[in-house]
Amino acid sequence: DAGITQSPRHKVTETGTPVTLRCHQTENHRYMYWYRQDPGHGLRLIHYSYGVKDTDKGEVSDGYSVSRSKTEDFLLTLESATSSQTSVYFCAISEDRSAKNTEAFFGQGTRLTVV
Amino acid sequence: KQEVTQIPAALSVPEGENLVLNCSFTDSAIYNLQWFRQDPGKGLTSLLLIQSSQREQTSGRLNASLDKSSGRSTLYIAASQPGDSATYLCAVGSSYKLIFGSGTRLLVRP
Repeated sequence: DAGITQSPRHKVTETGTPVTLRCHQTENHRYMYWYRQDPGHGLRLIHYSYGVKDTDKGEVSDGYSVSRSKTEDFLLTLESATSSQTSVYFCAISEDRSAKNTEAFFGQGTRLTVV
Repeated sequence: KQEVTQIPAALSVPEGENLVLNCSFTDSAIYNLQWFRQDPGKGLTSLLLIQSSQREQTSGRLNASLDKSSGRSTLYIAASQPGDSATYLCAVGSSYKLIFGSGTRLLVRP
């Protein structure tokens, strides 16, 4: 299995509070991604990173920010959590852009509930 | 805009049956197509990756095909087992991201 660790695995938080999810990889892959998975919507890309300090928005980036200060860590922050951000969040890694020549590997997910 | 569709949404088969899962996409300009398996409450496990220049990939009882011109991929599972029960997702590699279908939920009955 690819070395991807997400933390925490489960979190319950209150509306309006900031939340940070962490993705840690041991594969030294260049690309890292944050997706959310919701019933009826499948997996949707929030943000992605193509190197240290290099990040860009995905299709559902509003209300989220990311940071990548080291190759191995990619943080997703909900600045002020809302109930619509209740979801399962997945981190993914790949060696190449869009996993063009290599596979994308996913973490085990973080289940976030905003009450 | 690339759209990925998986049909059927759910499938129930008896053990031992061979089965085919379908994935279609609207834009043939893809880098690759990847099939994943997801067990309840778990992450995604990569099953097969087909590059855009390839027609098929095989791993054990799994065979995935890709027809870019028609915008289709199939995942063939031979001699299905109860342990194959899971949700199967296809994703196309397009530009900087993977675009996912909604998945097929498979139940293999003993």
